[in-house]
Parts: sequence; structure tokens; C-alpha cells
Amino acid sequence: NAGVTQTPKFRVLKTGQSMTLLCAQDMNHEYMYWYRQDPGMGLRLIHYSVGEGTTAKGEVPDGYNVSRLKKQNFLLGLESAAPSQTSVYFCASSYGQGLISPLHFGNGTRLTVT
Amino acid sequence: AQSVSQHNHHVILSEAASLELGCNYSYGGTVNLFWYVQYPGQHLQLLLKYFSGDPLVKGIKGFEAEFIKSKFSFNLRKPSVQWSDTAEYFCAVQGGKLIFGQGTELSVKP
Repeated sequence: NAGVTQTPKFRVLKTGQSMTLLCAQDMNHEYMYWYRQDPGMGLRLIHYSVGEGTTAKGEVPDGYNVSRLKKQNFLLGLESAAPSQTSVYFCASSYGQGLISPLHFGNGTRLTVT
Repeated sequence: AQSVSQHNHHVILSEAASLELGCNYSYGGTVNLFWYVQYPGQHLQLLLKYFSGDPLVKGIKGFEAEFIKSKFSFNLRKPSVQWSDTAEYFCAVQGGKLIFGQGTELSVKP
């Protein structure tokens, strides 16, 4: 019973490098989300998706791109990493917009940009 | 604009003390409300949720929360905390999007 799986768990990047974070869920959820968690800031929504092939901007979308080519996967890309993107990234999924089921979270990806 | 504010950044209590964590939100329409907990080194887990009906909702591990619409508040309470309640607590509000508060770190001394 995997739930929400994020890869990788840890990553160190140099400024300007690019990378993709993968989120996979096996619960047939329609909605998927990417959040970043920073001390004193809580969780801030980066991008989200309400279904396969759709994406939308959250609170802090700049510097990130996402894709939802398959229902079970939601990819978060950093084209040119910056130290300000050092954070813990959480993926989450839900059946609907919280009405029927709350969010199920992955275990997070700790990203450091030097 | 939709926003969520948690009043306390860090709360320190002794075991058996009562707990109340504040959460206020701003949004012009109907909202769904959540409290999540994050234990050290783990991801967020749902404590309780409010969608409609009785404004006093009970969650897991003895936690409860009261939705006061006139005050735009959804405070979390527990009558008697335990050391194992040490964690970070997040209030979340869903209007157009699901937005989280800044979090409150709770430390319970044995």
C-alpha cells in the first residue's frame, strides 16, 4: 500500500542546475499538489493539478514548472535552481478538492541549492 | 485574497496541561477547514476536518476544534496533552485553493 511516493528523498544542486522531482500516487486520485515547507512559513502551494493533463499555479509558482501527463504522476521541475529554492518539498494527492477526502502526503524531498 | 494565520509560533506545555492553538482565516465564501499534524521527521497527517454541520468537530488522539464563523476562526483544543503530542500543527483552509498556516510547534515536557 504505497500511497504517495516521492523521489528522490534528498538532493543537492548547484546554482543554475536543473532537476525534476517525481511524485507518484496509486490511489487513483484526481487532484495532486506540490508544496514547499520552510521554517516559519508553513506549507506554500507551488502548483497543483485537478486532473490528467491540467495544471494550475499556486501561491509561489515562480521558478518551477509542472506536468501531469499521467493521472498517477505529477512532476515538479526546476529549470535553473537558486539558493532560495532550498526547501523541503511535499507532494500530496486527494480524490477531490478536499470535500470527500483530505490530502495524502508523500514523505518529502529535501533539496539544498548551493 | 485567501489567507490563514496561526497566532502561536511555538508553544511549550507540561504534560496534562490543556492546549488551544489559534487559527484565523480570511476568505469571502464557504470554506472547508483542516488541522494537520507533523511529527518529527514525518510527513503531514490529518487530525480533523470541518466541512459543514456541527461546528465542534472531534479528531484523532483526543483533539477537537471549533469553527466560529463570525470570528473566522478554527481553534484546535485538547484537554490534556501528552509528551507524544510534541509535533508541529498546521491549520489549513480550503476556499478556492487549500492554503496552510505558518504552523505552530508544540513542545510537551514530560
